[in-house]
Amino acid sequence: QKEVEQDPGPLSVPEGAIVSLNCTYSNSAFQYFMWYRQYSRKGPELLMYTYSSGNKEDGRFTAQVDKSSKYISLFIRDSQPSDSATYLCAMSAITNDYKLSFGAGTTVTVRA
Amino acid sequence: DGGITQSPKYLFRKEGQNVTLSCEQNLNHDAMYWYRQDPGQGLRLIYYSQIVNDFQKGDIAEGYSVSREKKESFPLTVTSAQKNPTAFYLCASTSGTGNTGELFFGEGSRLTVL
Repeated sequence: QKEVEQDPGPLSVPEGAIVSLNCTYSNSAFQYFMWYRQYSRKGPELLMYTYSSGNKEDGRFTAQVDKSSKYISLFIRDSQPSDSATYLCAMSAITNDYKLSFGAGTTVTVRA
Repeated sequence: DGGITQSPKYLFRKEGQNVTLSCEQNLNHDAMYWYRQDPGQGLRLIYYSQIVNDFQKGDIAEGYSVSREKKESFPLTVTSAQKNPTAFYLCASTSGTGNTGELFFGEGSRLTVL
């Protein structure tokens, strides 16, 4: 069983729809939770970062962490064609080496 | 502009050949990482280095080698011992001051073995 599970999709939604992405994990030591966005043939870039449980909102993006269920989510409101990308969840424990465990990534297409 | 530069972007190699992928950063970051990305598998850690002249194996180090002679440079050699080297390789770095998880990535190098 993988340490971080993420449905690879693909996910196709019409412009303006809400995109819902999620990951589950097995390591209860994870404290830092991140979402990276990766455009085709590019490197990932950090989109959202959350420490421990709770919600975080940044514009059209909302990240949620439920440590009791070992489940994290990313919601994209009013989705735009420019949101078409692969979204990777990542997480880490409190360590000195800053190693992240990544999900497989979900490919999202927003249709105009 | 600060960032991470990977080269080459595309590389073709014959079986049995070693190839070296370059990674240079001008962010003054201490820690650098190499990841491999395959379809449907996410990013897997190959090697990482937290300081010059020191590096550690990641989850899939077999068939790869690295060096860290300078703070700004962390080249990856894909050796002929790597059984399935065709993949997208990503170099990343972080400042190391506080574990925020913000890795800065290069644009990647796509290696194809013919």
